Amino acid sequence: DIVMTQSPDSLAVSLGERATINCKSSQSLLYSSNKKNYIAWYQQKPGQPPKLLIYWASTRESGVPDRFSGSGSGTDFTLTIHNLQAEDVAVYHCQHYHSPPFTFGQGTKLEI
Amino acid sequence: QVQLQESGPGLVRPSQTLSLTCTVSGGSVSSNRYYWSWIRQRPGKGLEWLGYVYYSGGRYYNPSFKSRIDMSVDTSKNQFSLRLISVTAADSAVYYCARDRGPSNGGSSIFDYWGQGTQVTVSS
Repeated sequence: DIVMTQSPDSLAVSLGERATINCKSSQSLLYSSNKKNYIAWYQQKPGQPPKLLIYWASTRESGVPDRFSGSGSGTDFTLTIHNLQAEDVAVYHCQHYHSPPFTFGQGTKLEI
Repeated sequence: QVQLQESGPGLVRPSQTLSLTCTVSGGSVSSNRYYWSWIRQRPGKGLEWLGYVYYSGGRYYNPSFKSRIDMSVDTSKNQFSLRLISVTAADSAVYYCARDRGPSNGGSSIFDYWGQGTQVTVSS
């Protein structure tokens, strides 16, 4: 199985600042045939299910603010949240969909 | 708006069978554009994908559960279900059902709608 490792486990960022969350996969998530990276990011607020934010490493889901951006390729990926807002407090998860079984990172808790 | 709702017992005895149902509204489990997945979240652990079922009855299970898991779909009720047999305390978790965009996303499983989750505790 592909192991997804996020860092840090938690971080605190001031309002209006930038938050950066990393995710490393144990094997490349880049398919050479289509040049796509098979990774998604989710946001999970307390008491709620995860919400899809980004897929194909950098494509924002419809309705997701452009403060959220994804980058990276191969085995190293980053979720960046610009201009941090109070409502961004959540746990963020990365997930690969390269091939089943699909696995998630352990989650990164973002606080203000 | 698509909505999913899990239902089932919140307490299961060890060695018994965990059975959950997910009712879909605002969408159809008969669509050929989606898989229907189960994902769980154990305390202090990351999310864990259990598997998916397709409207045709086709399914794919996480090999970690393959010997004791079963999923099915009931198109007449617009529901899909999970059965996990021989449960232990390690199966205590919040169980989510989710819509999987796989068939409409080039076969790539991303989860765009989720139920609220249901807590299942395995204890005698």
